[in-house]
Amino acid sequence: AQSVTQLGSHVSVSEGALVLLRCNYSSSVPPYLFWYVQYPNQGLQLLLKYTSAATLVKGINGFEAEFKKSETSFHLTKPSAHMSDAAEYFCAGGYQKVTFGIGTKLQVIP
Amino acid sequence: DVKVTQSSRYLVKRTGEKVFLECVQDMDHENMFWYRQDPGLGLRLIYFSYDVKMKEKGDIPEGYSVSREKKERFSLILESASTNQTSMYLCASSLYGDRDNEKLFFGSGTQLSVL
Repeated sequence: AQSVTQLGSHVSVSEGALVLLRCNYSSSVPPYLFWYVQYPNQGLQLLLKYTSAATLVKGINGFEAEFKKSETSFHLTKPSAHMSDAAEYFCAGGYQKVTFGIGTKLQVIP
Repeated sequence: DVKVTQSSRYLVKRTGEKVFLECVQDMDHENMFWYRQDPGLGLRLIYFSYDVKMKEKGDIPEGYSVSREKKERFSLILESASTNQTSMYLCASSLYGDRDNEKLFFGSGTQLSVL
């Protein structure tokens, strides 16, 4: 079964700084990997997903993630943080039966 | 607009009560899921269903059961609620077999408090 591990339950960045949220996966088969975001008092929504078409995946709101098989990683990045990016981010993996990481709360400091 | 609707946003129940959490989707999705979300633990899969009357256990099925009598409706049942089942419960749905468009649609969640 595929599982994902998020490193860091809380990340703080200054507005305008690089955002890097880490996710590693374990699997022996080609993975299906996702990042979901949960804004305060809202439901989860898909940010981006990897389905083997391209290793660099672009999502909504300027986020992107790079699939690195050699490192079994799927880290989420954004070049310049905005206050509106403050949310909880979940890495997830699997086909049909999707399992989630513990989540990373992103705080953006003005 | 596609929708996954959970019947209650907040629910307060007493220990030992039988609790029903209802979820309805209007997207004709085959797959439906129940997760619980707890701080520091992320989302954990309780049960999922690939079709009407079919169900499979997720990672934490103990103390829960489910019912899927109609394609659009997936119910989570707590047979005898306990305080450790106090949590946010999230329902989700997705299309079966569509690898390129694999995506979960989530409801707004039900915050259940068991006293």
